[in-house]
Amino acid sequence: DAGVIQSPRHEVTEMGQEVTLRCKPISGHDYLFWYRQTMMRGLELLIYFNNNVPIDDSGMPEDRFSAKMPNASFSTLKIQPSEPRDSAVYFCASSEGFSGYEQYFGPGTRLTVT
Amino acid sequence: RKEVEQDPGPFNVPEGATVAFNCTYSNSASQSFFWYRQDCRKEPKLLMSVYSSGNEDGRFTAQLNRASQYISLLIRDSKLSDSATYLCVVNTGFQKLVFGTGTRLLVSP
Repeated sequence: DAGVIQSPRHEVTEMGQEVTLRCKPISGHDYLFWYRQTMMRGLELLIYFNNNVPIDDSGMPEDRFSAKMPNASFSTLKIQPSEPRDSAVYFCASSEGFSGYEQYFGPGTRLTVT
Repeated sequence: RKEVEQDPGPFNVPEGATVAFNCTYSNSASQSFFWYRQDCRKEPKLLMSVYSSGNEDGRFTAQLNRASQYISLLIRDSKLSDSATYLCVVNTGFQKLVFGTGTRLLVSP
């Protein structure tokens, strides 16, 4: 059974470029989460969806970040324009429910903005 | 004050040792608690949930102290393969999950 799938696994881009990260959650999971992890700040929740609807985007750092979930099997996180401080590992996770449910993480996308 | 705080470590212990980590949380209305494990350059994975009465899974024991607002993880008979970062996760209410920054454990031969 496939877990959460993320692409690309690595992305190197220049400052100012648009970056799109992709995620396919586990089938049947109603919740999808986007996280960012850095050494300094640890794992931060950016946004999460329930049944494809964004519920809480208070963790999105600024307007340069946007996320969509057009259907139950696909989500994107877009950064436009990218900046060096966006360099981090971005994880997507999914779960069957929220409170008390295990989150299954994808392998992450390691983003480097030069 | 951070919502969830952990000692970053690293905790350096020999094989066979017993080691314990604590994690404190600030919101007394927090509802559910977990320990996740993250290996170097890998994704976090659930280690165990933490129940009010405390729970054990093999060499691992998790406890919750609501009065003092902390959870703990005890690892007995440490193995080399236990070397990882252990993340404390708290559902702080209002449908919000907060991850601690993690405690790094290094088990040496």
